[in-house]
Parts: sequence; structure tokens; C-alpha cells
Amino acid sequence: LAKTTQPISMDSYEGQEVNITCSHNNIATNDYITWYQQFPSQGPRFIIQGYKTKVTNEVASLFIPADRKSSTLSLPRVSLSDTAVYYCLVGDNSNYQLIWGAGTKLIIKP
Amino acid sequence: NAGVTQTPKFRVLKTGQSMTLLCAQDMNHEYMYWYRQDPGMGLRLIHYSVGEGTTAKGEVPDGYNVSRLKKQNFLLGLESAAPSQTSVYFCASSYSNWARVGQPQHFGDGTRLSIL
Repeated sequence: LAKTTQPISMDSYEGQEVNITCSHNNIATNDYITWYQQFPSQGPRFIIQGYKTKVTNEVASLFIPADRKSSTLSLPRVSLSDTAVYYCLVGDNSNYQLIWGAGTKLIIKP
Repeated sequence: NAGVTQTPKFRVLKTGQSMTLLCAQDMNHEYMYWYRQDPGMGLRLIHYSVGEGTTAKGEVPDGYNVSRLKKQNFLLGLESAAPSQTSVYFCASSYSNWARVGQPQHFGDGTRLSIL
């Protein structure tokens, strides 16, 4: 069965670039890898999604190596408002169930 | 633009009581999902639906039932609430298969349920 591993927490400072890596094995071959952001008392919010190589949007970049056994969410020039929990989401290769990471609590300091 | 709306936002139940959580989406999405979120465990899928009139089990379906009588609504029922079901419940929807065609899920803001 697929399994995901993310760091439990990370600290950084305003203006820095932050990279959060999710390790995932046995993921579905044809499925996307998705990252979400969650603030307290709110539902997760979609950040970025990719299948392979690199994807960039207005808020983040996502790097996926060729073996797709990990993915790295990159947040450029973070601010205090980026303090949140970040989740990766993948599909299981055997049963196509949704597999969420346990989340990385990111704290941005002034 | 409401997106995904969950009701109620908070509820306290006694063990053995029953209740229904309502999820409504106004985006004409085919897929809908119910999750529970417990501290340190991320999100776990309870049930999901790929269209009106269809439902399927997720990772942790025991103790819950669902119905999707209308495309825009997805109901989660607890027939006999237990303390282990104390959690935050999230509903989500997506246009189609979230993973295969890159369609992200849109979430409501959750229902906080306590079972005493």
C-alpha cells in the first residue's frame, strides 16, 4: 500500500524560500500529486498539482523527480500569512484510494 | 459564490444518539467526499460518491452511512454515535476524478462533532 511521509513541522523566516518534501512509494502510475494548505478552523485549500517534472503557479512550485517517489513543494519568499499546515495527497497504486500525508506545520517568523 | 457548505458547524451528541451531517455544493461537481480529521492523523476518507445515486466506501467507513439523492447534496449519517467518532468532519467535491485528470477537491470549513 502507498505510504506518505512528511516532516511534522518546519520553521522559517519572512522572505525566505521554503521547501517541503513528501516521500511517497507505490503511488498510482497515472495519478497526479497534489498539495493543499490548511489554516485553523478551515478546510484544506488547493495549492498546486503535478504529474511529473516541474509545475509552477502564482503561489508555489512543485518538483517531482522521474521516479515519482517524492515531491517537493516550494514556497518562494514566504510571509507570516503562509503559516499553516501543508498536506500532500497521492493515489494508491493497488486500490486507487486517496492517501493523505499527515501534514507539515509550517511556522513563519518575522 | 458559496462553493461547499457544511451544516451544522458544531454539534455535541451523547453516546448512542444519531445525527446527519449535510454537505451542499453549488459547482455542479460529480464527485463528493466525506473525511474525518483527527489530531496528528491528517485526513481519512470515510465515504465518497462518483455521481448522483452512487456511493462507495473509503478508508474508515465503519459506523457511518451516506446518501447522494441529489447531485448537489451528500449526507453523512451516524446511526449510533460513539466517543471514537469525535472528530472534525470535512466534505469536499471535485469536477471529476481528482487524480486522473488533475481536478482538485474543494473543501467546506468542517463540522466539529463531539460525542460524550
